[in-house]
Amino acid sequence: NAGVTQTPKFQVLKTGQSMTLQCAQDMNHNSMYWYRQDPGMGLRLIYYSASEGTTDKGEVPNGYNVSRLNKREFSLRLESAAPSQTSVYFCASRPGASGNTIYFGEGSWLTVV
Amino acid sequence: DQQVKQNSPSLSVQEGRISILNCDYTNSMFDYFLWYKKYPAEGPTFLISISSIKDKNEDGRFTVFLNKSAKHLSLHIVPSQPGDSAVYFCAASAWGAQKLVFGQGTRLTINP
Repeated sequence: NAGVTQTPKFQVLKTGQSMTLQCAQDMNHNSMYWYRQDPGMGLRLIYYSASEGTTDKGEVPNGYNVSRLNKREFSLRLESAAPSQTSVYFCASRPGASGNTIYFGEGSWLTVV
Repeated sequence: DQQVKQNSPSLSVQEGRISILNCDYTNSMFDYFLWYKKYPAEGPTFLISISSIKDKNEDGRFTVFLNKSAKHLSLHIVPSQPGDSAVYFCAASAWGAQKLVFGQGTRLTINP
């Protein structure tokens, strides 16, 4: 039972490079999320998708774009990476709206030099 | 504007004793609260939740208490075990909302 799968697990980028973090869930969940975790800041929401075909900004969307490719997949793109985007990125999914538990992937460690 | 706050970055407890982790929130629309546990190099995993219609929820060694008037919740772990050493995140959501707002996390260390 894979749950939420993220790739890549580790990545080093140079400033200005672009890359896409991939996420897929096999739980038939409607909602998907991208969070970043930084020391002392907790988990901050970057973007989310309430359902296939919709995306919305979270707390810290600047510098990122997302695509809800289908119900299973939700990708996060950094168009021009900056050192401030060095972080651990977590994809998550949730069956529906409030009252349901959110399930996380194992994380993607991104370093921008 | 930090809507969910965990004011203790770290907590150290002796094995077998009670661990109490605290969380405060400011948004009165929040009515569903969760605790997540995170080990290094892993994603957060769900631990326990509580709805605003309750003031207590238990699951084995874990109990969450909710004080709506004080906008405060706490997680009690009794007895604490070495495997409980992890970072604990408090999270909150409003009914029908898509967003789950997390606190900064508290690093719990259980000492033998």
